[in-house]
Order: sequence, then structure tokens, then C-alpha cells
Amino acid sequence: SAVISQKPSRDICQRGTSLTIQCQVDSQVTMMFWYRQQPGQSLTLIATANQGSEATYESGFVIDKFPISRPNLTFSTLTVSNMSPEDSSIYLCSVSRDNIVNTEAFFGQGTRLTVV
Amino acid sequence: GENVEQHPSTLSVQEGDSAVIKCTYSDSASNYFPWYKQELGKRPQLIIDIRSNVGEKKDQRIAVTLNKTAKHFSLHITETQPEDSAVYFCAAKKAGNQFYFGTGTSLTVIP
Repeated sequence: SAVISQKPSRDICQRGTSLTIQCQVDSQVTMMFWYRQQPGQSLTLIATANQGSEATYESGFVIDKFPISRPNLTFSTLTVSNMSPEDSSIYLCSVSRDNIVNTEAFFGQGTRLTVV
Repeated sequence: GENVEQHPSTLSVQEGDSAVIKCTYSDSASNYFPWYKQELGKRPQLIIDIRSNVGEKKDQRIAVTLNKTAKHFSLHITETQPEDSAVYFCAAKKAGNQFYFGTGTSLTVIP
């Protein structure tokens, strides 16, 4: 298994500001992902965080809005930039141990963001 | 890319009855199919998974079946209990790729 510490667990932010969410894993993992989940909705992949290189963003998500860092195999950050109320959501960090032999995804506890 | 569809979106069953949730996928190269349970305000947790070399897997009251030819897989929960009430997500994945999640099924077990 993988133990993931994600923080902050929640925040209320003013529009126009930025929030950085941290994801720390207790051991090295190959794949790290960032998701957004609206209440009652499914998980929407924002990007795959790549160690030592730029993240791979999904359609509809851009680096200027959601810059991601992954300096090593146990840590990543997601920044939500220039926030608007539409960014209010739950943001989840997820990791998978191996990209060769498929293994399950583990999730952080999520960050509940409210933009006012 | 992969497209995962999940049905139904909501499901209500009487306690003790069975619940079935179905998913289809589009990419024949997908070979790993996990199911996640997400309780209100909690993170998704894996409840069972199946790989493409297996047709069925069971863990106590939970079972998953996979039909590779038809590209669909199903979650079966027997003898449902109120604590089974949650949102369930299916997913499909191939090696080196991301997880593609279904849209979720909100299951309510009525005591």
C-alpha cells in the first residue's frame, strides 16, 4: 500500500489568489496524478505529474492555470492559480506504484477548496 | 483514448438484496479494472480489482466479472448492508497509462 499525506485538507480563498496543494507519499511511486472532483461527480484527471519533467495535462487543463511540480518520486504539488469561484472543488492526489504491472491507485484525503 | 461508461448512476436496494453495477470500456488494450468505493467526504478506496487474464474474482460478498470480448465488467454485491451505501467507481487502465474512471454509481441500501 501507499500512505499519502495531502494538505491542506480544506481552504477558503479569495478570488484572484493562488493555492498550492502538497502531496507526500511514504515511499517511492512511479505515477502520480492530480484529479478534480465536483461534489457528487466523478474524478476528472487534471494532469499526470512526471518526475523531473513537465506534467502531462489533459484536455481543458493548462500549465499556466494548474502548475505542477514533482521534484522526486515521493512528492508533488499542484497550484491552482488566479482562482475564481468556478475552481471551487475537491482536488485529489493519487499515486500508483508501478507503470509496468498495473497496480491500484491510492488517493490522498483530498483538498476541499472554496473560492469566494 | 479510453472511454469508460458506467450504469446505473443511482441504485437503491433493500437490505439483503443484491446490487449490480455495470461498466463498459472502449480500448481493447486496457487490462486492469479496479472498483473503488467512496463514502461521503472520504477518499476513494479500492474494494476489488480484476486483470484481463481472469474472468471472475470474488471476495466475500463482492464479486467482479469481466467479459473481454464484449469489453464490459460488472460489480456484484450480495446480501447488501446499510454500510454498503456509497458511491462506486469503476476504472480501466493499461500499463504505463492513466486510470480512466466511470461516472460513478450512488448506491443506497435501505434498511
